[in-house]
Amino acid sequence: GQNIDQPTEMTATEGAIVQINCTYQTSGFNGLFWYQQHAGEAPTFLSYNVLDGLEEKGRFSSFLSRSKGYSYLLLKELQMKDSASYLCAVRKGGGNKLTFGTGTQLKVEL
Amino acid sequence: NAGVMQNPRHLVRRRGQEARLRCSPMKGHSHVYWYRQLPEEGLKFMVYLQKENIIDESGMPKERFSAEFPKEGPSILRIQQVVRGDSAAYFCASRRAPEDTQYFGPGTRLTVL
Repeated sequence: GQNIDQPTEMTATEGAIVQINCTYQTSGFNGLFWYQQHAGEAPTFLSYNVLDGLEEKGRFSSFLSRSKGYSYLLLKELQMKDSASYLCAVRKGGGNKLTFGTGTQLKVEL
Repeated sequence: NAGVMQNPRHLVRRRGQEARLRCSPMKGHSHVYWYRQLPEEGLKFMVYLQKENIIDESGMPKERFSAEFPKEGPSILRIQQVVRGDSAAYFCASRRAPEDTQYFGPGTRLTVL
């Protein structure tokens, strides 16, 4: 099976930086994805890592360490609209099905 | 360039009725995935289909649930004899090719009374 753990909730201040961690245990690892989901809406793709290291995309960055089974999503210059649930998902093997964590609910405050 | 489309967006059924959820993948995408999201829980994989084929249905309940992706038309997730525990958001995702990112539709929120 696969275990994916991420914090349930986080709170941060507008303009600040926040790091959302995700740890996983799986065999046949084939990539880790981060999605953003606003309440009542579809998950929106943010980033993808399959090799170790940092992937930067604007205000969002994602890091992966395969040996540690660890990833984080870094959000810079937080905006109120960043208040959402952030989903960590692991892909196993070649079928491309994703196993999701329960999500981290981020609240951005003034 | 329309994204993944799902309909209906909201569906209300009484216990024992059938629910049919539709998903039209993005243009050029031939791989479709269905996920279920229960309140306060993460997305759970249900089934993976390509045109006319079920590739992986390891996440589908053994009874009452079925899925298809015909040669023409949308993918259908069918739930027969719905029960209250089926109330959830059902999301469809599609991708074009192996190793591609999955893109999600807006979901169908099923409420069973």
